[in-house]
Amino acid sequence: DVKVTQSSRYLVKRTGEKVFLECVQDMDHENMFWYRQDPGLGLRLIYFSYDVKMKEKGDIPEGYSVSREKKERFSLILESASTNQTSMYLCASSLGGVIRATEAFFGQGTRLTVV
Amino acid sequence: TQLLEQSPQFLSIQEGENLTVYCNSSSVFSSLQWYRQEPGEGPVLLVTVVTGGEVKKLKRLTFQFGDARKDSSLHITAAQPGDTGLYLCAGTRGGKLIFGQGTELSVKP
Repeated sequence: DVKVTQSSRYLVKRTGEKVFLECVQDMDHENMFWYRQDPGLGLRLIYFSYDVKMKEKGDIPEGYSVSREKKERFSLILESASTNQTSMYLCASSLGGVIRATEAFFGQGTRLTVV
Repeated sequence: TQLLEQSPQFLSIQEGENLTVYCNSSSVFSSLQWYRQEPGEGPVLLVTVVTGGEVKKLKRLTFQFGDARKDSSLHITAAQPGDTGLYLCAGTRGGKLIFGQGTELSVKP
C-alpha cells in the first residue's frame, strides 16, 4: 500500500519559532510537493522538488524554505512562524513527469496553529 | 488570480439530484485531473483526462475534457450522501501540480 506520511497531525507553535514539517514517501517517487490549504482557496503550492537537492518555488514561497537531502524525505521549514501561517499543510508525491500529470499521493495533513 | 477556476464553490443538494462542477482556465493543459477530499484526509485521485473532448466515466461520475483542453467538467448522476466532499481539479504547469479552489459538495439524505 502506497504511503505518504507526515510527521504530525496537529501542531501548535508560538510566533517567531522555527517550525519543521516532515514528509516521507515509500514509493520511490521523484516529485514531492508542499501545499497549504485554506477555506475557499483550494491547495496552494508552496514548494516543489523533482529530485534530491532540487527545489522550485511554488505560488506562495515567502516565509518558507524546504530541504530534500534524500529522495524519500521532503521537509518544509517555517523560519519564523507567524499567525498568518496557521493553516493545513499537505505533502504529496508523484512519479516524475513534466508535461503530463501523474497521480499525486497525499499525506493526511498537518494542521498547524501559530499563536 | 487562480490559474484554474472552479464553480460553484459550494453546492448543497438532495439525494438523487444531478449536478455538474466546472473547472475553467485561460491556459491550455496537457492533462487535467480530478481529486476528491474527505474531511481529515488528503485528496485522492479520481481521474486524469488527457485528450481534448475526452469523456471518462467512473460509475455515476462523468468527466469531460474540453476540446481546447482549457476546461473540464464533472457530472454526478443521482448523487448520494457518500458523494459528499471537496472536489478539486488540478493541472500541471512546468512540472508543478496546480489546483483549483475546490467545490464543496454536500448531499443531504
